Amino acid sequence: AQKVTQAQTEISVVEKEDVTLDCVYETRDTTYYLFWYKQPPSGELVFLIRRNSFDEQNEISGRYSWNFQKSTSSFNFTITASQVVDSAVYFCALRMEGGSEKLVFGKGTKLTVNP
Amino acid sequence: ETGVTQTPRHLVMGMTNKKSLKCEQHLGHNAMYWYKQSAKKPLELMFVYNFKEQTENNSVPSRFSPECPNSSHLFLHLHTLQPEDSALYLCATSQPDREIYGYTFGSGTRLTVV
Repeated sequence: AQKVTQAQTEISVVEKEDVTLDCVYETRDTTYYLFWYKQPPSGELVFLIRRNSFDEQNEISGRYSWNFQKSTSSFNFTITASQVVDSAVYFCALRMEGGSEKLVFGKGTKLTVNP
Repeated sequence: ETGVTQTPRHLVMGMTNKKSLKCEQHLGHNAMYWYKQSAKKPLELMFVYNFKEQTENNSVPSRFSPECPNSSHLFLHLHTLQPEDSALYLCATSQPDREIYGYTFGSGTRLTVV
């Protein structure tokens, strides 16, 4: 069975602090895809990144960075120098290769960045 | 604006009512999905449509009935719902051969069953 665990339910930081959101996944497949989405108060989920299981290279996009480690089945997300606009719920998700197109989501981590 | 539009944004309905949620996309994607987001629970996949054909029904009660009349529209027909069906219902689309961009979600319909 596929499962995504985001152990941090809520995190609160002060602006300019760095914050890491944890994501641990479970799957028996060797080929799979991992995603991060941001859900602001407006409701829609905004795509942030997609990673396939064969690409363990870490990625940086501006203030965002992702650390993918297959050895620990983790795909953690770090925001550097957080800003108030980063306040949202962040979801990690997993999808198998082929077959069903469905995404399996974690429960999400609510991030609040205070001024 | 994501290219996936859901209406209405908010809906309050009684348990005996019949209503429909609408999802419209202008992205040319071939796959469309309904997800349910309840408080303190993971997003739950409800239905998947590929090329207008339903390819997955994730054990959803029959009081939820999806319809995909064309590649741009997806509906979720609701009847005799229960209070526990109150949730945010999200529509998503994807293009299977171009999923480097992930799935595109609408803003959702906030449903309250009274």
